[in-house]
Amino acid sequence: TQLLEQSPQFLSIQEGENLTVYCNSSSVFSSLQWYRQEPGEGPVLLVTVVTGGEVKKLKRLTFQFGDARKDSSLHITAAQPGDTGLYLCARHTDKLIFGTGTRLQVFP
Amino acid sequence: DSGVTQTPKHLITATGQRVTLRCSPRSGDLSVYWYQQSLDQGLQFLIHYYNGEERAKGNILERFSAQQFPDLHSELNLSSLELGDSALYFCASSEGPDSVEHFGDGTRLSIL
Repeated sequence: TQLLEQSPQFLSIQEGENLTVYCNSSSVFSSLQWYRQEPGEGPVLLVTVVTGGEVKKLKRLTFQFGDARKDSSLHITAAQPGDTGLYLCARHTDKLIFGTGTRLQVFP
Repeated sequence: DSGVTQTPKHLITATGQRVTLRCSPRSGDLSVYWYQQSLDQGLQFLIHYYNGEERAKGNILERFSAQQFPDLHSELNLSSLELGDSALYFCASSEGPDSVEHFGDGTRLSIL
């Protein structure tokens, strides 16, 4: 099993703050996905990164794939309460292998 | 709304019992996946069916089984239930094995 370790495990911040979530592995991946899961719902795909060094932006969210394709980060600028949820990175082949998750709480 | 429907939303039962969870995939999707989400193990892949055939298996217990029917809906059967089986069970579907997976809202199983 190729483990995907995420850090931090929990993050509790005030509205307007910036934050970064990390996803690390000892293995090289052809691609990496980021999901957000809100309470009572299933995970929803946010982005797929494929190329080493790639940066993708989704409004206030910035995703980066490491040059060696072993790690990735998710940066949120000016967090809002609506960003609250569980953030999961995942490796996709014929199934999804999920990371350990980062639970984010943004207080108004 | 992902288009993936899971029933029931909640299930409460006792140890030793057997339950069946149902999943209707998005229209046109041939692949169905089952995942288990618990506090200590996170979100873990159980099994993948493609067009009625088993495609891949994860850490699925022998007490658990699944199938995909000709109309492409899928059922996950859990038997001889134990307290540790309490978890959220998610179904996802995709057009094919390498396509984006869309998740249902899950079935919350509580074993008393």
